Amino acid sequence: KQEVTQIPAALSVPEGENLVLNCSFTDSAIYNLQWFRQDPGKGLTSLLLIQSSQREQTSGRLNASLDKSSGRSTLYIAASQPGDSATYLCAALWAGNQFYFGTGTSLTVIP
Amino acid sequence: GEEVAQTPKHLVRGEGQKAKLYCAPIKGHSYVFWYQQVLKNEFKFLISFQNENVFDETGMPKERFSAKCLPNSPCSLEIQATKLEDSAVYFCASSREAGLEAFFGQGTRLTVV
Repeated sequence: KQEVTQIPAALSVPEGENLVLNCSFTDSAIYNLQWFRQDPGKGLTSLLLIQSSQREQTSGRLNASLDKSSGRSTLYIAASQPGDSATYLCAALWAGNQFYFGTGTSLTVIP
Repeated sequence: GEEVAQTPKHLVRGEGQKAKLYCAPIKGHSYVFWYQQVLKNEFKFLISFQNENVFDETGMPKERFSAKCLPNSPCSLEIQATKLEDSAVYFCASSREAGLEAFFGQGTRLTVV
């Protein structure tokens, strides 16, 4: 069964800290993995997409890695800012073109 | 357009009434997805389209839910005879091709009272 989990469910850090969010998936035969952020009452904003053939992707202060053999992806946020406070979701895509979402990590960056 | 546009933003229906939600995918995107977010971070896949053809409908409650993506029209998700448990945020997403980056709309919050 294809499942995606995210740990921790919630995280609080002081402003300026670097942090890592974790995402685990059960089946290594994924097509890609996508990271999103969701602000309260809002939609999903795409952050990074990692294709199965890639090991990592970077955008600004964000870096996402993918290790298919261990079934893990991480989202690294450098020099966190209060504006980074949101829920971060990872979603894995397997055959069938259907995203399976993790339950998210709620991040609070304290000024 | 350059973003996935969903209408309306909010919809309130009495139990048993019909609800219809609309989604305009990003221009040039072939795939459209519908997801239901019931609890805070639980996303349930409903259906996907490749252009106007149903690609995967394994998540659709067949009895009351239907969806269409017709040429030159917004895609739609219709719920007949709504139930309290249908209260959720419904998200639409589109991607240029299968397996590429998916872009989500802002969602439609359906409240069934």
